[in-house]
Amino acid sequence: AQTVTQSQPEMSVQEAETVTLSCTYDTSENNYYLFWYKQPPSRQMILVIRQEAYKQQNATENRFSVNFQKAAKSFSLKISDSQLGDTAMYFCAFKLNQAGTALIFGKGTTLSVSS
Amino acid sequence: GAGVSQSPRYKVAKRGQDVALRCDPISGHVSLFWYQQALGQGPEFLTYFQNEAQLDKSGLPSDRFFAERPEGSVSTLKIQRTQQEDSAVYLCASSLEGTGATPLHFGNGTRLTVT
Repeated sequence: AQTVTQSQPEMSVQEAETVTLSCTYDTSENNYYLFWYKQPPSRQMILVIRQEAYKQQNATENRFSVNFQKAAKSFSLKISDSQLGDTAMYFCAFKLNQAGTALIFGKGTTLSVSS
Repeated sequence: GAGVSQSPRYKVAKRGQDVALRCDPISGHVSLFWYQQALGQGPEFLTYFQNEAQLDKSGLPSDRFFAERPEGSVSTLKIQRTQQEDSAVYLCASSLEGTGATPLHFGNGTRLTVT
């Protein structure tokens, strides 16, 4: 079975600074995807970034980038130039590359960005 | 509409009542997932549909939970004889197909409170 662990229940950062959210996962499979989702108080789950396990290059999306360490089963999210709108709960998630398998979420990290 | 639509947005039920939660996925999306998200936690998988077929219901917590998607589009999650521990946000998500190659789109969820 696959598991996802987020060891930081809460993080805080000042505007314009950089913050890193940690995530580790466990699987015996080789073909999978990893995701970071953002969930603001509106409850809308928004995809931030996605990483294919077979790609060695770390994914980036504007201010968001990941550090994917496959051997260590680590998948951290770095947010650069933090903005007030980044305040939300962030979930790390894992999915096998097989039809019909569920997205498995970690327990989340609440990020607060202050001015 | 352009996104996944869930209704009602809020539902308050007295213990023992039956409730029905509706999900309208994005048109043409084959895969549909239901998740349960307790307060301050990550979403937990409930069940998965591929078109009208319910291929995985391993996450349903008890036989009081029932889901259907009779025509392969709209889905309903029904909870019979609600209990206080059923209080949570219920999220629906859909994707064009079932691997991680195409993104999972989430609705805003239904917050169920059982009193």
